[in-house]
Amino acid sequence: QAVVTQEPSLTVSPGGTVTLTCDSSTGAVTSGHYPHWFQQKPGQAPRTLIYDTSKKHSWTPARFSGSLLGGKAALTLSGAQPEDEAEYYCLLSYSGAYVFGTGTKITVL
Amino acid sequence: QVQLQESGPGLVKPSETLSLTCSVSGGSLSNYYWSWIRQPAGKGLDWLGRIHSSGNTIHNPSLKSRVTMSVDTSKNHFSLKLDSVTAADTAVYYCARVGAGANFDYWGQGTLVTVSS
Repeated sequence: QAVVTQEPSLTVSPGGTVTLTCDSSTGAVTSGHYPHWFQQKPGQAPRTLIYDTSKKHSWTPARFSGSLLGGKAALTLSGAQPEDEAEYYCLLSYSGAYVFGTGTKITVL
Repeated sequence: QVQLQESGPGLVKPSETLSLTCSVSGGSLSNYYWSWIRQPAGKGLDWLGRIHSSGNTIHNPSLKSRVTMSVDTSKNHFSLKLDSVTAADTAVYYCARVGAGANFDYWGQGTLVTVSS
């Protein structure tokens, strides 16, 4: 089974920009992996921010964007807000089976 | 607005079967995939499997043959069974809808299942 790796933790200043990445042990991440990004705050269910690499839900703040970057999936937060402090997980599809990433703790400080 | 709600016993004895149901309101099960995900306390998310409204399933190979999923479109719910549980299966269990573009769009609030004698 593939292993999907993310940075364990990142810190961003209020109003600043940070990029999280999602790496697959099987090789380059492509649009065929349908990369997802989820936000999870303590005690809450995950909430989907990005799906299919870069698509947003109606509830996704405009400051979040998804892309492919250097063979990885990436989530960029531009203009970080205190309420963005959370755990972020990516998810990749492998021929219909899914694997979650290890998660990145974002601190806004 | 689609809503999902997990239900089932909060306590299961070791070696027994964990059984959960996810009830869907505000929408139909038809033509969607439905997934189960779990999260041990303080740890990351673990995808367990998915089932289509037609009954077609794919599950996490790490669970081997312990997992069974089913769907009941007449009751608008789908279910998870996990056999031979151990303490390692203690987690919050979530259900989610998987829409077009492999889009995990709606999630349940999660239910804690503890495996203990």
